[in-house]
Amino acid sequence: QVRLQESGPGLVRPSGTLSLTCAVSGDSFRNGFWWNWVRQSPGKGLEFVGEISHSESTHYNPSLKSRVTVTIDRSKNQFSLSLASVTAADTAFYFCARRTENFGIQYWGQGILVTVSS
Amino acid sequence: SYDLTQPRSVSVSPGQTANIPCSGDKLGDKYVYWYQQKPGQSPVMVLYQDTKRPSGIPERFSGSNSGDTATLTISGTQTMDAADYYCQAWDTPSTWVFGGGTKLTAL
Repeated sequence: QVRLQESGPGLVRPSGTLSLTCAVSGDSFRNGFWWNWVRQSPGKGLEFVGEISHSESTHYNPSLKSRVTVTIDRSKNQFSLSLASVTAADTAFYFCARRTENFGIQYWGQGILVTVSS
Repeated sequence: SYDLTQPRSVSVSPGQTANIPCSGDKLGDKYVYWYQQKPGQSPVMVLYQDTKRPSGIPERFSGSNSGDTATLTISGTQTMDAADYYCQAWDTPSTWVFGGGTKLTAL
């Protein structure tokens, strides 16, 4: 069974960098899967942030592209999100997830709330 | 950028059929994915590739996609189906888009 678990600071200062990690268990970074970050501002809808493939190709939300980086650490079986120059608008629940090529997102983490505030 | 539009809310009586539309330019040319999210929980995929149900999703969930509109249909809606529903599609060349979400009320 695939399990995903987000971790990282729950509070980030404005203009700082948001850094989150998703620990993957029950799976590894194999062909056919994309490793996603999706966020949800409190009370709002889902927003795609970015994803990375086993070969480290990436797709990003164009509205965030200049600030977002998604990376893989195979030695730790985890992937990470970095979002620079954050503002209060980046306050959200951040979910990591696994998407199967042409089959949608089948596995989600429980989500982690990150608040941007001084 | 590509936009997917959903109604903010849909209400249905238990046992009736709920239709949740998702509209976008030439959406019928893309695959649409649907997710259900209950309060305080992570989303769960209920349909992929427009019409296909993942393992464990009840048969009352079905879908269609043609022209500019994809529709999630819940036949014989149960109170447990009350949730937020999101459509998702690929925006060429390189990003995913979610609809704004529809709150389904079943009472």
